Amino acid sequence: RKEVEQDPGPFNVPEGATVAFNCTYSNSASQSFFWYRQDCRKEPKLLMSVYSSGNEDGRFTAQLNRASQYISLLIRDSKLSDSATYLCVVDDSWGKLQFGAGTQVVVTP
Amino acid sequence: ETGVTQSPTHLIKTRGQQVTLRCSSQSGHNTVSWYQQALGQGPQFIFQYYREEENGRGNFPPRFSGLQFPNYSSELNVNALELDDSALYLCASSLGGDDEAFFGQGTRLTVV
Repeated sequence: RKEVEQDPGPFNVPEGATVAFNCTYSNSASQSFFWYRQDCRKEPKLLMSVYSSGNEDGRFTAQLNRASQYISLLIRDSKLSDSATYLCVVDDSWGKLQFGAGTQVVVTP
Repeated sequence: ETGVTQSPTHLIKTRGQQVTLRCSSQSGHNTVSWYQQALGQGPQFIFQYYREEENGRGNFPPRFSGLQFPNYSSELNVNALELDDSALYLCASSLGGDDEAFFGQGTRLTVV
């Protein structure tokens, strides 16, 4: 079983719509959680950290459910530039990151 | 720009050969982690170096080895290359702990 599992998508989203997706993780001792964004053939870039209380950064909202061991990301008012692969990331310990395989989002005009 | 640079950007090697990939960490960062990303997959943790010592290793065979230098730059060495080693190799530098990791642009290795 993979440590971090994500729906690979693709999620085809009309411009301006809202899209949400989750990932699950298996290590209940994990302490830090992140969403990274990766554009085609580029390096991953940190989108946002995820906290139990939930956090928002502009059009992006992330949520962590420790009891069920899942992390969610919601994108409101989708822009064409939001098209990318979103990687769910769990920090096993001291910066050793475990990545999911990514969820592809395609925003269409 | 993250301040993390990797070289070379692309490389083609023959099965059985050896390869060395290089990573210059962001100024002041003492921790470097290496990841392998196969096509269609997420990055997989190979190992991490902190202040020149290996500080954790993922599920990779011993033919994957590394080094960190006093200036905190790092190398990833792979011996006896296999076709399945073809991937994007990423390094990430940070101040350690749960500090944000900054990724280099990666080295795309093709083994033929």
